[in-house]
Amino acid sequence: SQQGEEDPQALSIQEGENATMNCSYKTSINNLQWYRQNSGRGLVHLILIRSNEREKHSGRLRVTLDTSKKSSSLLITASRAADTASYFCASSGNTPLVFGKGTRLSVIA
Amino acid sequence: EPEVTQTPSHQVTQMGQEVILRCVPISNHLYFYWYRQILGQKVEFLVSFYNNEISEKSEIFDDQFSVERPDGSNFTLKIRSTKLEDSAMYFCASTLVGTGQNSPLHFGNGTRLTVT
Repeated sequence: SQQGEEDPQALSIQEGENATMNCSYKTSINNLQWYRQNSGRGLVHLILIRSNEREKHSGRLRVTLDTSKKSSSLLITASRAADTASYFCASSGNTPLVFGKGTRLSVIA
Repeated sequence: EPEVTQTPSHQVTQMGQEVILRCVPISNHLYFYWYRQILGQKVEFLVSFYNNEISEKSEIFDDQFSVERPDGSNFTLKIRSTKLEDSAMYFCASTLVGTGQNSPLHFGNGTRLTVT
């Protein structure tokens, strides 16, 4: 299985702090993707990093990818209460996206 | 921005009954997927569909499940004889090209299925 696994399972921070979530996967990939899920809603795509990329930015999001360690991290800078959600990584090879269990992020105002 | 729509948002059914969950993918997308998420758990892949046939399916997608694209817009998931353990959120998703070609999934907001 190339399933992504996020770490930590839950994270609680104060508004304004940075949040870092990690993800590991098992097999070779074409890309790795991060998604956000608000409670009871669908997943929303945040950012995609290709296997030949090492870092990518989108607004307050920064994603890194280390294919030698089969790991990725998502950094949310200057967090806001509205960032409270579950965050999932998903690895993509030649099979459909496989999601991990997610990190539940709580940002306290 | 175009979006994937799912109906109904909540479906309650009795064990043994058949249910059909409906999805309207984004209109120019070619690849369609069903995922499910048991409350508080990971998002699990069920099936992918391309060119009017199943391209991949998981172990969860057994004989009680089927998918269909009955017309040019709808994509349905049928559960033939529901079990208690089928209670979950079911998400439909679509992409223009396959996800291995660096295309993200566009998800609907899901149907919450409750089997009693």
